[in-house]
Amino acid sequence: EPEVTQTPSHQVTQMGQEVILRCVPISNHLYFYWYRQILGQKVEFLVSFYNNEISEKSEIFDDQFSVERPDGSNFTLKIRSTKLEDSAMYFCASSEARGAMDEQYFGPGTRLTVT
Amino acid sequence: DAKTTQPTSMDCAEGRAANLPCNHSTISGNEYVYWYRQIHSQGPQYIIHGLKNNETNEMASLIITEDRKSSTLILPHATLRDTAVYYCIVRVPDSSYKLIFGSGTRLLVRP
Repeated sequence: EPEVTQTPSHQVTQMGQEVILRCVPISNHLYFYWYRQILGQKVEFLVSFYNNEISEKSEIFDDQFSVERPDGSNFTLKIRSTKLEDSAMYFCASSEARGAMDEQYFGPGTRLTVT
Repeated sequence: DAKTTQPTSMDCAEGRAANLPCNHSTISGNEYVYWYRQIHSQGPQYIIHGLKNNETNEMASLIITEDRKSSTLILPHATLRDTAVYYCIVRVPDSSYKLIFGSGTRLLVRP
């Protein structure tokens, strides 16, 4: 069964460094998402991406964040200058369609630890 | 999006049906009910969704009351691997891409 994959599974970085989290969505999916979950807290939406542009973003997704689909398979989340509070699990998701059939399929996550 | 209310936690015996309720009394006519679950530290997993008719798939059944103010997710034969946090989410799929996760119900399946 096709699935969303994410790399790395765990990333440790120092405050102020740039990190890139990578995702390979399900191959025929057209809509891509990033969510995060701070330890012990709720899963939070960050951004959605379709047709090579951001379609929706939350207030969390500020200028420190960017997303890109650099080729036909990868979808990346970049954090330009990490802060301690960026430590979280980051989940990528994808969906095939919009509307009533827009089930989102999530990857296993990347645990980001900022020290 | 309509607000949902779910019990904080529930448990059931392995092999028995798990019935997880969700209250969404302010749901509007074009809002769907979605269920996702999150097994410890993994990514959320889509289970099922529906608008007003009952739905069934290989994972679960979704029963929506006639007035649509509440719904129940049924796992017909719960296994230990069904231990997870279950989220009921109400949204209009055409108006927003995002899923808004609440606190969910923590289901513990007992051996």
